[in-house]
Amino acid sequence: DGGITQSPKYLFRKEGQNVTLSCEQNLNHDAMYWYRQDPGQGLRLIYYSQIVNDFQKGDIAEGYSVSREKKESFPLTVTSAQKNPTAFYLCASSKGGPGGGNIQYFGAGTRLSVL
Amino acid sequence: AQSVSQHNHHVILSEAASLELGCNYSYGGTVNLFWYVQYPGQHLQLLLKYFSGDPLVKGIKGFEAEFIKSKFSFNLRKPSVQWSDTAEYFCAVNANDMRFGAGTRLTVKP
Repeated sequence: DGGITQSPKYLFRKEGQNVTLSCEQNLNHDAMYWYRQDPGQGLRLIYYSQIVNDFQKGDIAEGYSVSREKKESFPLTVTSAQKNPTAFYLCASSKGGPGGGNIQYFGAGTRLSVL
Repeated sequence: AQSVSQHNHHVILSEAASLELGCNYSYGGTVNLFWYVQYPGQHLQLLLKYFSGDPLVKGIKGFEAEFIKSKFSFNLRKPSVQWSDTAEYFCAVNANDMRFGAGTRLTVKP
């Protein structure tokens, strides 16, 4: 059953703590993305990666970090520097890069809250 | 970079009413256009897309959208909504990257 798996579904962060959100895809897609969804603001791009070991900042990268050691995996770390981390985080992937009309497919999301 | 504007934040309709959700974008070049839907508790999924050709495109579940280049618009329509259409709808524009609108929440009352 092909798709994008995000875990955990819910995550709680304490003050000063780094947390890591997992995203795995078995669609053999080259590109992967992390978006943040806030009510009334739509989806905003945090980071994206077009190939292994390479990634680019999106519009709101500050306070976040990523890695792309394997094609299938693109974990997102929300660092203590992100002062307002409470949001719904969506991972996506596409066959090609962010331009050129490549359709992006989404995971079910992780809801992060601050304790 | 391109930007996307969805005019309606929350739309409430009764079943069988007609639906039109507005989407306008700002970008002078060639774009690809998408509507995504997020049903409660489910993945964001593709509803329909426009790349080229016939500006009237049909998607899943009876939805359609019309690309009007002169108005930079890509409005979503459905002649008769159902309670199961209750969801959040996102317009997206793809040129060099993908930009999403703020979303429109649709509530259909039975």
